[in-house]
Order: sequence, then C-alpha cells, then structure tokens
Amino acid sequence: SYVLTQPPSVSVAPGKTARITCGGNNIGSKSVHWYQQKPGQAPVLVIYYDFDRPSGIPERFSGSNSEKTATLTISRVEAGDEADYYCQVWDSSSDHWVFGGGTKLTVL
Amino acid sequence: QVQLVQSGAEVKKPGASVKVSCKASGYTFTSYGISWVRQAPGQGLEWMGWISAYNGNTNYAQKVQGRVTMTIDTATSTAYMELRSLRSDDTAVYYCAREGPTVGDTFLDYWGQGTLVTVSS
Repeated sequence: SYVLTQPPSVSVAPGKTARITCGGNNIGSKSVHWYQQKPGQAPVLVIYYDFDRPSGIPERFSGSNSEKTATLTISRVEAGDEADYYCQVWDSSSDHWVFGGGTKLTVL
Repeated sequence: QVQLVQSGAEVKKPGASVKVSCKASGYTFTSYGISWVRQAPGQGLEWMGWISAYNGNTNYAQKVQGRVTMTIDTATSTAYMELRSLRSDDTAVYYCAREGPTVGDTFLDYWGQGTLVTVSS
C-alpha cells in the first residue's frame, strides 16, 4: 500500500518560515491535501489540490508538490500555528485515502 | 454554515458494537459524501471509509472491512458508522468529514467534532 512519510517534528522561531515535507513514491502525480490539528480539536483543511487555500486560511499557508516531495510552507509563523499537520493523498491502486504520520510543529 | 454534529462518547466492552451518528446541516446533503476517520490516543489519522449521501455507495478501508457498516438517512441528513466486534485497539476518536460526491476526487473540507469510543472490559 502507498506510504506517506512526514518528519515527526519541526521547530521554528516566531516570524520565521516553517516547511513540512511529505514524501511518497511519485507523489508529484497525485493531489496532496494538508490538515492542521490542534490539541483536542478536529482537523482543519489548510491546503487542497497541492496549493489551493480554503477561504479563511491565511495567505501565510502555501503548498507545493514535486516529483518526490510535497511541502507545506508556513511563512511568518505565529504561536497559534503550533499544531500537528497531516498530508493526505488518494491511493488509486487500493482505492483508499492515505494520511501521512503527522508532523508536530513547535513554535519556539 | 456547514456543520457536522456527532453523537456523544461511548464506552463499550470487547466484542460489542457501536454506532456513531453524524448530523449534517448547511448544505445539500445528497450532493456530497461522508468519510469516516479515526484517531487512536496519541496517534495519527486513519481513514475508515466513505459513503455517498446520494446513493449509499460505500468504500471501506481493508483494515475494518467486514466489521464496519456505513449508512445514510437522507430524511434527517444523518450519516451513521457502525463498528462491530470491538477490540481494545478500536479505542479512538471517530470523526465524520464531508467529502465530494465521488470518493477520492476531492478532499475533506468540513469535519465533525469527533466521538470518543472507549473499548474496555
């Protein structure tokens, strides 16, 4: 089955840029979605179709996707961005949604 | 505004069944599907399956296939997820999430608040 690999943790100082990666075999050929989950809350969609932002999501959140790695970039990081972030793709070989293991973003 | 409101927490014994509900509002229910995702304590997100609110078609994850049934009540705009033969490793928060009319084509744009299911003897 398809596997998505994320770093367990990323740390960044306030005001800096955080980059969270999501690796998978030929991931560039798939649409990647990203979710933010704060403690005790349900996930929230922050990026869909690689780089589109839902209404209400700050422009500081952006996404990209290349051959081997999709990346969620958070510019001018704020304390309120501290959360777990998950990438997601559709695995057409199994007809299943697949989530990455999640990355805990810590704002120093 | 789109809302998905789930039923309350449940405590079940091993071998029992649980049925979680997800009541939708703020959109045309039958134009979308519902995915179910669970999260064990301290763990990541795990997709369990999807059901079309239009025709009831389903797509279940292999891991729970045979133990899970997802259903729809269009009269009340409510989706249900029943999990049988519960085990301790089914202890998790269960989420419903709105998805497009065809599984895998879109994304999960609105989520319920989650339902904690605890399996313990």
